[in-house]
Amino acid sequence: SQKIEQNSEALNIQEGKTATLTCNYTNYSPAYLQWYRQDPGRGPVFLLLIRENEKEKRKERLKVTFDTTLKQSLFHITASQPADSATYLCALLSGSARQLTFGSGTQLTVLP
Amino acid sequence: KAGVTQTPRYLIKTRGQQVTLSCSPISGHRSVSWYQQTPGQGLQFLFEYFSETQRNKGNFPGRFSGRQFSNSRSEMNVSTLELGDSALYLCASRELATSYEQYFGPGTRLTVT
Repeated sequence: SQKIEQNSEALNIQEGKTATLTCNYTNYSPAYLQWYRQDPGRGPVFLLLIRENEKEKRKERLKVTFDTTLKQSLFHITASQPADSATYLCALLSGSARQLTFGSGTQLTVLP
Repeated sequence: KAGVTQTPRYLIKTRGQQVTLSCSPISGHRSVSWYQQTPGQGLQFLFEYFSETQRNKGNFPGRFSGRQFSNSRSEMNVSTLELGDSALYLCASRELATSYEQYFGPGTRLTVT
């Protein structure tokens, strides 16, 4: 069955370091992969989208990689700040399906 | 532009009752999707409407239904509520059915007792 796994439920890092979050999937052929940020009591906020034929995408301090051979995406936040503390969700959109399927999320805490 | 709005923000219902949740998308957005978020199952897709037509449906029982009006506002209805329906219900809009970036509302927190 199709499955999306995000590396860990919680990740703590020190301010200024690079946070790396992992999204692995099985039995999918995603055309697009997206990353969202969700704060407590709020809806997810779109951050980045990467297509299957793209290896890397950057936006300010954010970087996403997409390896369709490994079936994995890595999400990096460089020079992390306490304000980056939130839950980060990856989501896949396959070519055949017209719906987004979300991973369970990784709760990131950046310690001052 | 104003963001996606959802009403009510919080709701407490009793088992067996029904509930209707409302979502107003961003102005100009014609696609509205609904999701259920629980600690155990995460964010799960319920259905999507575009131009008043249901385009896609997730794996939820028929107790979950929705509709979209000509002004793109959408409602979601859950009948015969069960305890397991307690969740955060999120609505998301996008400009076109081919747009990939979704804009989420703050959600409606439903508690079934």
